[in-house]
Amino acid sequence: AQSVTQPDIHITVSEGASLELRCNYSYGATPYLFWYVQSPGQGLQLLLKYFSGDTLVQGIKGFEAEFKRSQSSFNLRKPSVHWSDAAEYFCAVGGGATNKLIFGTGTLLAVQP
Amino acid sequence: EAGVTQSPTHLIKTRGQQATLRCSPISGHTSVYWYQQALGLGLQFLLWYDEGEERNRGNFPPRFSGRQFPNYSSELNVNALELEDSALYLCASTLTRGYTFGSGTRLTVV
Repeated sequence: AQSVTQPDIHITVSEGASLELRCNYSYGATPYLFWYVQSPGQGLQLLLKYFSGDTLVQGIKGFEAEFKRSQSSFNLRKPSVHWSDAAEYFCAVGGGATNKLIFGTGTLLAVQP
Repeated sequence: EAGVTQSPTHLIKTRGQQATLRCSPISGHTSVYWYQQALGLGLQFLLWYDEGEERNRGNFPPRFSGRQFPNYSSELNVNALELEDSALYLCASTLTRGYTFGSGTRLTVV
């Protein structure tokens, strides 16, 4: 069955520090992978997506993610975190006949000054 | 271009009533997905509409239903509301595989 695991429920980093949010997926075929960000009470904003090709994907707001097929991972990174990055981050996998997205449980990011 | 629009932003209903939530997709997008984000339960897939037809539904009871209109906008109906239906309901539209989400409708059942 398709699934997404985000092992870190809550992460706290200092402003200016680097960030890596982990995402592991289980999927039978080549997955379509996404990272979304959600501010409190808001909808989901797409940060980046991977369909095929270059395994290092650049997104908005200085984020990037690397697809590693051998590790079934799609970790999100940012070299220097800003206070405005505090939010909840969701990894998702899509594809197959239904095209629906399956989401991880999210990682809540707090940024210390 | 205009994004995905959801209305109303907030909705308060009494247990047993019916709720209707609306979604207008990005122009040209033919598929609409509905998700429920309840506290502690994450984002759960509800329904998928494409070209006016229901294509797939998640593990929700039949009192969750909806439709898609000829202009590809969509409506989600929740009948016989229960307290646990309180959640943020998100709509996403897509043409191929680029899913764009709306800001959601916060449904509160009292």
